[in-house]
Amino acid sequence: DAGVIQSPRHEVTEMGQEVTLRCKPISGHDYLFWYRQTMMRGLELLIYFNNNVPIDDSGMPEDRFSAKMPNASFSTLKIQPSEPRDSAVYFCASSSHRANYEQYFGPGTRLTVT
Amino acid sequence: GESVGLHLPTLSVQEGDNSIINCAYSNSASDYFIWYKQESGKGPQFIIDIRSNMDKRQGQRVTVLLNKTVKHLSLQIAATQPGDSAVYFCAENIGGYNKLIFGAGTRLAVHP
Repeated sequence: DAGVIQSPRHEVTEMGQEVTLRCKPISGHDYLFWYRQTMMRGLELLIYFNNNVPIDDSGMPEDRFSAKMPNASFSTLKIQPSEPRDSAVYFCASSSHRANYEQYFGPGTRLTVT
Repeated sequence: GESVGLHLPTLSVQEGDNSIINCAYSNSASDYFIWYKQESGKGPQFIIDIRSNMDKRQGQRVTVLLNKTVKHLSLQIAATQPGDSAVYFCAENIGGYNKLIFGAGTRLAVHP
């Protein structure tokens, strides 16, 4: 298995632009998570899905952030409009209830908003 | 992929020595704890977990100790190797096995 796949690996955009981050979970996993990592706040859970349904989005910073999971093999995290304070590394992770819920992380997307 | 945390506390050890990384967790109701390793340029990687009905769990070269009385978790790495150099995070679950709260992390630097 290729593991969790994220794209792009790096994104540089200007303030006000829309940003879309993409994630392909490990095949067969039924949970998908989006995290944000910054020096100031560490690793924070933004939202997670179970069987493509959002379960807890209490970590989503504000309405500018939205996440979707249209099918079991794809999820997006969108920021519109982006702001410099959104600059961070965004990780996607997936897990399976059949495998002790161990979360497997992708390589991350480094987002820079100028 | 990337990792962050240039200002993390750092533990420096000599190759071959044992390492102990400590973590204080916040929620007395947490019943599941995990240690993750994050190497430069990669996402966090699962190392070992422990449930609250246990005090100790061993893996390959790693041991996790849980002290619920003082809400303390530690990761012991035996015979530390250069490949162990990374940032280590503890995480506690809140509200089921899926919602994890991560600690700030500790950087482990292994010197030859």
